[in-house]
Amino acid sequence: AQKVTQAQTEISVVEKEDVTLDCVYETRDTTYYLFWYKQPPSGELVFLIRRNSFDEQNEISGRYSWNFQKSTSSFNFTITASQVVDSAVYFCALSEPDAYGGSQGNLIFGKGTKLSVKP
Amino acid sequence: EAQVTQNPRYLITVTGKKLTVTCSQNMNHEYMSWYRQDPGLGLRQIYYSMNVEVTDKGDVPEGYKVSRKEKRNFPLILESPSPNQTSLYFCASSLGDVGELFFGEGSRLTVL
Repeated sequence: AQKVTQAQTEISVVEKEDVTLDCVYETRDTTYYLFWYKQPPSGELVFLIRRNSFDEQNEISGRYSWNFQKSTSSFNFTITASQVVDSAVYFCALSEPDAYGGSQGNLIFGKGTKLSVKP
Repeated sequence: EAQVTQNPRYLITVTGKKLTVTCSQNMNHEYMSWYRQDPGLGLRQIYYSMNVEVTDKGDVPEGYKVSRKEKRNFPLILESPSPNQTSLYFCASSLGDVGELFFGEGSRLTVL
């Protein structure tokens, strides 16, 4: 069965520190998609990244970077030089492809990691 | 502007009083779904729809109904709400083959 584990329930850091949010997943499929979403205190869910199982290249977007390792079934998210505006709950999610090889959007979410960045 | 719109955003109701949470998307997405978010449990899927007139149960469908008569709309119906359905509800849509889910702003429901 599919499963996403975010072992860190809450993390607190001081501004400018680097922080890594862990995500470990379980799936029997060879083709799947991984996502990260951000939920700021205002409550909306903001898409951050999608990665398919065949692309293990690390991705960097500004202060955000993602490390995908199939060998350990992990898709970790690092924020460099954290800022107060990064305070949010971050969700990792997994989906399996539909019959046509695309992501059907049926995401299995982890329970989230609450990140607090203090000034 | 591409968006998923949910209404109402906040609702307090009483046990047994039927209610509907509407969801509409303007992106011509085929796939739509409903999630509920509860503290410590993350987001769990209630129902999803692959296209018009095609719906299926997610992980926690008990106590809910949905319909998909038009591509843009996917209402969530609580026929007889109970206090354990107090939650934050999110509607989402995607093109399916793209995978990115676009979420509505959420509807906070309290059942007394």
